[in-house]
Amino acid sequence: DAGVIQSPRHEVTEMGQEVTLRCKPISGHNSLFWYRQTMMRGLELLIYFNNNVPIDDSGMPEDRFSAKMPNASFSTLKIQPSEPRDSAVYFCASSRQGWEETQYFGPGTRLLVL
Amino acid sequence: KQEVTQIPAALSVPEGENLVLNCSFTDSAIYNLQWFRQDPGKGLTSLLLIQSSQREQTSGRLNASLDKSSGRSTLYIAASQPGDSATYLCAVGGGSNYKLTFGKGTLLTVNP
Repeated sequence: DAGVIQSPRHEVTEMGQEVTLRCKPISGHNSLFWYRQTMMRGLELLIYFNNNVPIDDSGMPEDRFSAKMPNASFSTLKIQPSEPRDSAVYFCASSRQGWEETQYFGPGTRLLVL
Repeated sequence: KQEVTQIPAALSVPEGENLVLNCSFTDSAIYNLQWFRQDPGKGLTSLLLIQSSQREQTSGRLNASLDKSSGRSTLYIAASQPGDSATYLCAVGGGSNYKLTFGKGTLLTVNP
């Protein structure tokens, strides 16, 4: 299995631009998670999908952030408009079923907003 | 709100030493606890998962223990090797939050 795939691996953009991060979970996994990691705040859950349905989006910082999961093999996290404080590493993870099971992380997308 | 603390933030040891990493959490009504490893510039790799009903889990040179009542977990690494150098994160599942709450990690350096 290829594991969780994320793209792009690195993104540099200017403030105000739209950013779209992509994730392909492990085949057969029903749950998908988006996390953000910064030095100050550590690793924080942004949103959690189960069977393509958002279950918990309480970690989404504000309306500039949106996430979709149109099918079992693809999810996007969009930031519009982006701001310098959004600079972080964004991880996607998947599990067979729910947050209670082992989560498998992708390599992350390192985002820099200038 | 669940809070997870890991001490120390950084640890440097000579190769071959046995070591213990600590994790504490504020809400003892947890479902499980997981230890992850993160290499620089990489994602997290799950090492061990302990269910709330368990006291410990072992995998190779790693042993993780859980004491729910005191809100503590330890990760014991035996006969450390330079390849063990990484950041180790503790994550607690459940409590008032139906999700994983992560500590900020312990950066381990094993010197040859």
